[in-house]
Amino acid sequence: EADIYQTPRYLVIGTGKKITLECSQTMGHDKMYWYQQDPGMELHLIHYSYGVNSTEKGDLSSESTVSRIRTEHFPLTLESARPSHTSQYLCASRRLSSYEQYFGPGTRLTVT
Amino acid sequence: GENVEQHPSTLSVQEGDSAVIKCTYSDSASNYFPWYKQELGKRPQLIIDIRSNVGEKKDQRIAVTLNKTAKHFSLHITETQPEDSAVYFCAASGSYQLTFGKGTKLSVIP
Repeated sequence: EADIYQTPRYLVIGTGKKITLECSQTMGHDKMYWYQQDPGMELHLIHYSYGVNSTEKGDLSSESTVSRIRTEHFPLTLESARPSHTSQYLCASRRLSSYEQYFGPGTRLTVT
Repeated sequence: GENVEQHPSTLSVQEGDSAVIKCTYSDSASNYFPWYKQELGKRPQLIIDIRSNVGEKKDQRIAVTLNKTAKHFSLHITETQPEDSAVYFCAASGSYQLTFGKGTKLSVIP
C-alpha cells in the first residue's frame, strides 16, 4: 500500500546519544519534509528536500541533519540528543507538481 | 515569507451545532489553502483544500471559503459530531511550501 512509513514510532534515549529517525515513502513523491510538533501544537518545519542530493533547512533552527540519497528515503539524525529534543517528529511528502502534502505517523522521541 | 494566523485556538460546540475556524494569510502570491485534521495521537490528515481560483468548496458536512481580496479563508463544519473533535490546522502555500496556522482544538460536546 502506498504510504509514508516512520520508524521507530516511539523512542526513549539518554542524553548524548546519536539517533537516526527513519522515513520512507512508497508514494512516488519527490519532495519530503521533517516537522517537529509537540502533541496537538504548532507544526515547525525543520528540513526539506526537493529530490536526491537536495536538502534545505526549514524555519525552525534545529541541531539535526538530514540526507537524501534515495528518492524514497529521508532520514533525520541527531548527533547528540538532549532533553530539549523531546518532541514528536513528523515526516511528510508530496509530488513536485502537486500541492497535496501527506504525513507519516510520526516518531515520539523522549530524551532523558 | 508567508504568515498564517488562525482563530480561535480552542472551540467548544454542542453536538449538532456548526463550527467555524478562520485563518488569515499575508502573502498575496499564496494560491493553495488546505485544512488538516489531527486526532489525538494520530498524524495530520488532509480533509479539504481550495485553490485561489475558487471561492468555495464543499464536501458533505465540511466546506471551505476563500476571500482573496481580504486574504482570509475559513473552515465550516455543519451538524458536528463527537468524532469531529480534533485539532484543525489551516495552511497556505505559494511556492509549493506550506505555512501552517497554530491550530484550533475543537471539542464537540455530546
